[in-house]
Amino acid sequence: QQQVKQSPQSLIVQKGGISIINCAYENTAFDYFPWYQQFPGKGPALLIAIRPDVSEKKEGRFTISFNKSAKQFSLHIMDSQPGDSATYFCAASPSNSGYSTLTFGKGTMLLVSP
Amino acid sequence: GAGVSQSPRYKVAKRGQDVALRCDPISGHVSLFWYQQALGQGPEFLTYFQNEAQLDKSGLPSDRFFAERPEGSVSTLKIQRTQQEDSAVYLCASSPLVPYEGALSGNTIYFGEGSWLTVV
Repeated sequence: QQQVKQSPQSLIVQKGGISIINCAYENTAFDYFPWYQQFPGKGPALLIAIRPDVSEKKEGRFTISFNKSAKQFSLHIMDSQPGDSATYFCAASPSNSGYSTLTFGKGTMLLVSP
Repeated sequence: GAGVSQSPRYKVAKRGQDVALRCDPISGHVSLFWYQQALGQGPEFLTYFQNEAQLDKSGLPSDRFFAERPEGSVSTLKIQRTQQEDSAVYLCASSPLVPYEGALSGNTIYFGEGSWLTVV
C-alpha cells in the first residue's frame, strides 16, 4: 500500500518556468512533510519541509503548499533552472514514531530545458 | 569533511552470499538511519539507531537483514543469503538530533551516497 502518492512521474519545464509536483497521503498521523532533491549517484538532500500548522512555506525559489483537509501538499519551483534538473521526492513522517521514519513518494524526475 | 561515508560504493554478490555494508556517520551525530532504494523508487525505511540503541527495526524486510551500531558511531548493515530482490541502493543517513527534535526544528538528516548492491 503506497502511503504517499506522488505525481507526475516525470516533468519537463522550460528555463524560467514553474515546476509543480504534487503529493497526497492517507495516514492522518503524518504531520511532518519534507521534500528531498536527489542527483544521480548521490543521496537525497533536504530542500524544504513543512508541518501542518502552516499552509505555505517559502524558501528562496522553493515553496511548499499544504492542504490538510485534502491531505495533499505540493512543491513549486519558481524560475526553474537547468541546475534544478534532478529527482524530487516528497516524504511524510508520523509523530507517533517520534518522526524516526520517513515514508517517501516514488519520485518525480524533473528536466529543465535551457 | 566530511559527510556520511558509505562503503563499499558498489558490490556485486552472488545469490546466497552474505554481504556487509558500512556507514560512517558525521562525527557526533546521535541518530543513524538505513534506507533501501530500489531502482526508480523512493527510499524505504529499514532501521533507526539512537547512539548504539536500535530503536526501530520495523522496516527490515526479513530476518536475513541485520544492522548494528555497537559503539554509537559506525554502523554495519548485514544481509545474509542475498537474493536478487535485495538488489538496491542502501542509503545511510545521520542527524545531530533525535528525530523528534529534528522535525520540530527543521533540522535535516544527511544522507550518504549509498552502497549499490547487485545480486546476480
